[in-house]
Amino acid sequence: GENVEQHPSTLSVQEGDSAVIKCTYSDSASNYFPWYKQELGKGPQLIIDIRSNVGEKKDQRIAVTLNKTAKHFSLHITETQPEDSAVYFCAAGSGGGADGLTFGKGTHLIIQP
Amino acid sequence: DAGVIQSPRHEVTEMGQEVTLRCKPISGHDYLFWYRQTMMRGLELLIYFNNNVPIDDSGMPEDRFSAKMPNASFSTLKIQPSEPRDSAVYFCASSLGPTFYEQYFGPGTRLTVT
Repeated sequence: GENVEQHPSTLSVQEGDSAVIKCTYSDSASNYFPWYKQELGKGPQLIIDIRSNVGEKKDQRIAVTLNKTAKHFSLHITETQPEDSAVYFCAAGSGGGADGLTFGKGTHLIIQP
Repeated sequence: DAGVIQSPRHEVTEMGQEVTLRCKPISGHDYLFWYRQTMMRGLELLIYFNNNVPIDDSGMPEDRFSAKMPNASFSTLKIQPSEPRDSAVYFCASSLGPTFYEQYFGPGTRLTVT
């Protein structure tokens, strides 16, 4: 089955700086890579996703990059704000398959004022 | 839509007792997922359903865990008998598909087994 590794487990950055979270996956059949944000006491919520036919996707201050050859993908948050503080999860899945999504263990992002 | 609804939000029970967690998915979503979240293991998929039929239950830890979906608007996850190591936050999520579609998570049930 798929295995997703996520680093770092905790990331502290100054407000206004950029944050980068990295994930690797093991199954070359995976072709869908979403990122979820979880705030305290709530369930995870999708913030951005990318499919294997593109290498990068951007949505305002958030971007995701994908390197299929190396089997890794990254989340980039620019101009970080206090409300970006949360736990972020990466995931991988193969569209059309019956395996659903495999999640990484999460990164606790702390934005220092 | 109210989103995915889970009940109870918190559950404290004694070891050996039966625990039932409940979920109401978003109307029109054909897929329903049960996850368990712990500090040590992160977010683990336990089981998921498509059109009320269990598709993959390989994540269910052992026979003490069972899940049902009697209709499109209701699912239960039951633990019998419960053990302290079952303490975790249990999430239910629903979506239009298993992979390419956004999974909408409920607020979770925090289970504590003493």
